[in-house]
Amino acid sequence: LAKTTQPISMDSYEGQEVNITCSHNNIATNDYITWYQQFPSQGPRFIIQGYKTKVTNEVASLFIPADRKSSTLSLPRVSLSDTAVYYCLVGDEAAGGTSYGKLTFGQGTILTVHP
Amino acid sequence: EAGVAQSPRYKIIEKRQSVAFWCNPISGHATLYWYQQILGQGPKLLIQFQNNGVVDDSQLPKDRFSAERLKGVDSTLKIQPAKLEDSAVYLCASSLDWRTEAFFGQGTRLTVV
Repeated sequence: LAKTTQPISMDSYEGQEVNITCSHNNIATNDYITWYQQFPSQGPRFIIQGYKTKVTNEVASLFIPADRKSSTLSLPRVSLSDTAVYYCLVGDEAAGGTSYGKLTFGQGTILTVHP
Repeated sequence: EAGVAQSPRYKIIEKRQSVAFWCNPISGHATLYWYQQILGQGPKLLIQFQNNGVVDDSQLPKDRFSAERLKGVDSTLKIQPAKLEDSAVYLCASSLDWRTEAFFGQGTRLTVV
């Protein structure tokens, strides 16, 4: 099973760029890397997904090195509203060998943005 | 576009009682997930449906938890009987299929006393 390791918490200040790195040493060839964000009292929300190199959307960038054993979520110019828990997920085969991409969440990284 | 709807939002029951949660996924979404999130932890997958079939329930405590997805649309999750350690937020999510992003509901906060 592909497992992920992230820092438990990070602190930043408004206007700074924040980079959260996730390790996934046992990632499989067909696995994608996905990041979710969760605010208190809400369900997780999809941020970005990638397979290799770099992916960018309107809220974040995802950097994936050639060996794909890690990935970095980059949040440009964070604001107070970016304070949340960020989860890194790696695609996983469901029990029985069927590739149904079980979404397995780890502990996540608690990001706190200070004024 | 309507999101994933869950009800109730909050529920308080005594241990050994029964409780049921309801989820209405986004229209057309084939994959439906139920997660349990204990305070301070990441969501834990309980069961995953593809249409109305179960593709993963390896972490579902089957002696007390059950779930069904009739006609591949709405789903219910039931706990009978509840234990104190079942106190958590129960999240439902859906996606077009297992490859695409999942959309989560706001969850049901269950307190067992």
